Amino acid sequence: AQKITQTQPGMFVQEKEAVTLDCTYDTSDPSYGLFWYKQPSSGEMIFLIYQGSYDQQNATEGRYSLNFQKARKSANLVISASQLGDSAMYFCAMREGNSGNTPLVFGKGTRLSVIA
Amino acid sequence: GAVVSQHPSRVICKSGTSVKIECRSLDFQATTMFWYRQFPKQSLMLMATSNEGSKATYEQGVEKDKFLINHASLTLSTLTVTSAHPEDSSFYICSAKEARTGVGYTFGSGTRLTVV
Repeated sequence: AQKITQTQPGMFVQEKEAVTLDCTYDTSDPSYGLFWYKQPSSGEMIFLIYQGSYDQQNATEGRYSLNFQKARKSANLVISASQLGDSAMYFCAMREGNSGNTPLVFGKGTRLSVIA
Repeated sequence: GAVVSQHPSRVICKSGTSVKIECRSLDFQATTMFWYRQFPKQSLMLMATSNEGSKATYEQGVEKDKFLINHASLTLSTLTVTSAHPEDSSFYICSAKEARTGVGYTFGSGTRLTVV
């Protein structure tokens, strides 16, 4: 079974508008972490935001916020005031457990295109 | 912040030859390095986890004799693609977790391998 599901292969958003990228996850471990990364065409992985399973509040980092709904096992990324430079692939990822030896598992990604 | 330097960024090799990819943690000790492969328009798939001073753990379906991983020091992990074939052409990227920075995983900039 997929651990991370991103159901939107591609999304379009008008510049300056907000956009939500969906992510659902599957784990039975009570301790886990959820990550969002941006991958531009250059291939580098840019860390955007993190949400721990025990965090009480939704994570925010500048224009990025994470809508964490634990009961629904969803961790949607909200990008506010979209910019042309936001056009890229976005990956949701999960780390199960708390160990530094645990790799991230990635979803299939969503390609975001910001339109002027 | 934590930096992982990955080289080369791009390599073209002939079928049947071997290629070595290096990932070096510049300002921290990477006890564990994760190696991912990404085919065009696809997600990052974990290939193996390398631990300093011990044998790497390979994911199911990844040939350990073909993808040799060496993690001889706390700052250097290498992936050697042996007897490369065109189907090995892909984007290879390494990642390490740096304890001091908390939750983030640091990624190398990736290596685009083309086998001709």
